[in-house]
Amino acid sequence: EVQLLESGGDLVQPGGSLRLSCAASGFAFSTHFLNWVRQAPGRGLEWVAGITPDSRKTFYSNSVKGRFSVSRDDSKSTLYLQLTSLGAEDTAVYYCTRGAGGQYLDYWGQGTLVTVSS
Amino acid sequence: EIVMTQSPVTLSASPGERATLSCRASQRIGTSVAWYQQKPGQAPRLLMKDESTRASGFPVRFSGSGSGTEFTLTISSLQSDDIATYYCQQYNDWPLTFGGGTKVEIK
Repeated sequence: EVQLLESGGDLVQPGGSLRLSCAASGFAFSTHFLNWVRQAPGRGLEWVAGITPDSRKTFYSNSVKGRFSVSRDDSKSTLYLQLTSLGAEDTAVYYCTRGAGGQYLDYWGQGTLVTVSS
Repeated sequence: EIVMTQSPVTLSASPGERATLSCRASQRIGTSVAWYQQKPGQAPRLLMKDESTRASGFPVRFSGSGSGTEFTLTISSLQSDDIATYYCQQYNDWPLTFGGGTKVEIK
């Protein structure tokens, strides 16, 4: 059974940093494209970042480019998202997702909440 | 970036009625559209991929269709278990983008 378990969400002050983790199991982690998608309270879904199976390429939305960094450790089957220069607009539940096919998202974790507030 | 626009924002229908959700892409995206179902308090779940291929676990009352820029998710006979917000997503080009969602309610 495919499982994605996010952790690391917390209350952080504006301008602060945080690292999110996503522990995966139940599939060949190293062969899959992985993504982070976020959802602000009461709002819709926003794709944030993605990383290729070989870590050769990373992709970012314009709203986080230069502030967030996605990485993976295939030996630990873990995906990461480093968040820096956080602002109130980054407050959201962050979901770890597995990419498939042309890049629909076939599995989602339960999410981890990041709250940016003083 | 490709903008996905969903309508209506809220859809209210009676049990057994047909529900039609729309999604429009700002440019042609072929069949590179997926639909997700998100129930209150839960993570989204893949419902439909490649415009019209149902994901595992979803009943046949869910169907998808489209024409390059206009896409439709149809629930042929609405059930109480279908109460959720539905999102479309395009994967024809980066960045991946989602529609704003359609909330389905039971009348």
